[in-house]
Amino acid sequence: DGGITQSPKYLFRKEGQNVTLSCEQNLNHDAMYWYRQDPGQGLRLIYYSQIVNDFQKGDIAEGYSVSREKKESFPLTVTSAQKNPTAFYLCASSIGGTAYEQYFGPGTRLTVT
Amino acid sequence: GENVEQHPSTLSVQEGDSAVIKCTYSDSASNYFPWYKQELGKRPQLIIDIRSNVGEKKDQRIAVTLNKTAKHFSLHITETQPEDSAVYFCAASSPNDYKLSFGAGTTVTVRA
Repeated sequence: DGGITQSPKYLFRKEGQNVTLSCEQNLNHDAMYWYRQDPGQGLRLIYYSQIVNDFQKGDIAEGYSVSREKKESFPLTVTSAQKNPTAFYLCASSIGGTAYEQYFGPGTRLTVT
Repeated sequence: GENVEQHPSTLSVQEGDSAVIKCTYSDSASNYFPWYKQELGKRPQLIIDIRSNVGEKKDQRIAVTLNKTAKHFSLHITETQPEDSAVYFCAASSPNDYKLSFGAGTTVTVRA
């Protein structure tokens, strides 16, 4: 589990504000992912990146943006266009740019009021 | 794209009994099937995975079986203990799709 960090653990924002969630890994993994989890729900893919300077939309990308300027970092911005941003956000990474053996960070719980 | 269905959504077992969770997938090209365990408020943890070139894999009290013909795979937990209580997610991935498709999860409760 170690090697993937997300900060902060809890985040509170007012409606209409953009907010950026941090995800860092020191596992030398090529691929990184962002998921959203709502209470009692499964994991829904927001964005993923197989290599630096490249990323793809997942199933629910609307209202979110990402960047991948460094191998170690994959920040997620929740924009004001996201209609229901309150959720638990999980970052994950895997080696070799594949989906094999994805390991998750501890998550950030975002509350927007 | 891949669609993964998971059953049951909740499962209650007596301590010491076995628990079985089943998942079906739609893409016959899928070749990687991991299982994750998530305790309340925590991150999902990879507990076991299987690739399409094997039919079964065991790790102590947990095992996963894969039936490629029927396109389903199952998680078996034997001699359940209270610490097995959690939400379990299955997932699938195909070689041409660099992401996992997750099932909706199964909440397992082990009664003491």
